[in-house]
Amino acid sequence: EVQLVESGGGLVQPGGSLRLSCAASRFTFSSYWMSWVRQAPGKGLEWVANIKQDGSEKYYVDSVKGRFTISRDNAKNSLYLQMNSLRAEDTAVYYCARGGLTAASSGWFDYWGQGTLVTVSS
Amino acid sequence: EIVMTQSPATLSVSPGERATLSCRASQSVSSNLAWYQQKPGQAPRLLIYGASTRATGIPARFSGSGSGTEFTLTISSLQSEDFAVYYCQQYNNWPPNWTFGQGTKVEIK
Repeated sequence: EVQLVESGGGLVQPGGSLRLSCAASRFTFSSYWMSWVRQAPGKGLEWVANIKQDGSEKYYVDSVKGRFTISRDNAKNSLYLQMNSLRAEDTAVYYCARGGLTAASSGWFDYWGQGTLVTVSS
Repeated sequence: EIVMTQSPATLSVSPGERATLSCRASQSVSSNLAWYQQKPGQAPRLLIYGASTRATGIPARFSGSGSGTEFTLTISSLQSEDFAVYYCQQYNNWPPNWTFGQGTKVEIK
């Protein structure tokens, strides 16, 4: 069974930085688009960013552009989200999610991690 | 941004009954729509993609329909494990700016 395990969440002050990681296993990580999706406490889901298999294409929701950076290391089967200039409204559980093999199939997410909580507060 | 609106916010259904959930897009998303189920404290689970294709391992009692701006998720006979929050999501635009609905909570009547 596909496994995605996030880590790196925690409490950070406004304006601070945090790097999330997602360790992937039991599938060929380098073959898939990958995304980050977040969920504020008690709220709905928000797609945050995605990345192509070789890292050559990266896309972001407008609210995080210029502050967050998605990356991947296929040799380590890992996905990352570098979050800078954090704001209170970035407080959420962040999920790593697997997309598809092609751009056309990258938009739905068939496997999700358990999530890691990021809390931005002073 | 494409706004996804789900209705109703809460649906009270008895076990064994049919549940019909609606999702409306603010502009056409063709058939680029997915449905997810989320239980408390768990990650979302993909049910449907392409508006009507069941994901691997999803029971046949779950079905999706619609295209353009109007979509429906139907659960033909609710089981106890189906009480959860359901989200629709569009993935029509490229570059991506994918959006989710606010969710419909299916609760026991």
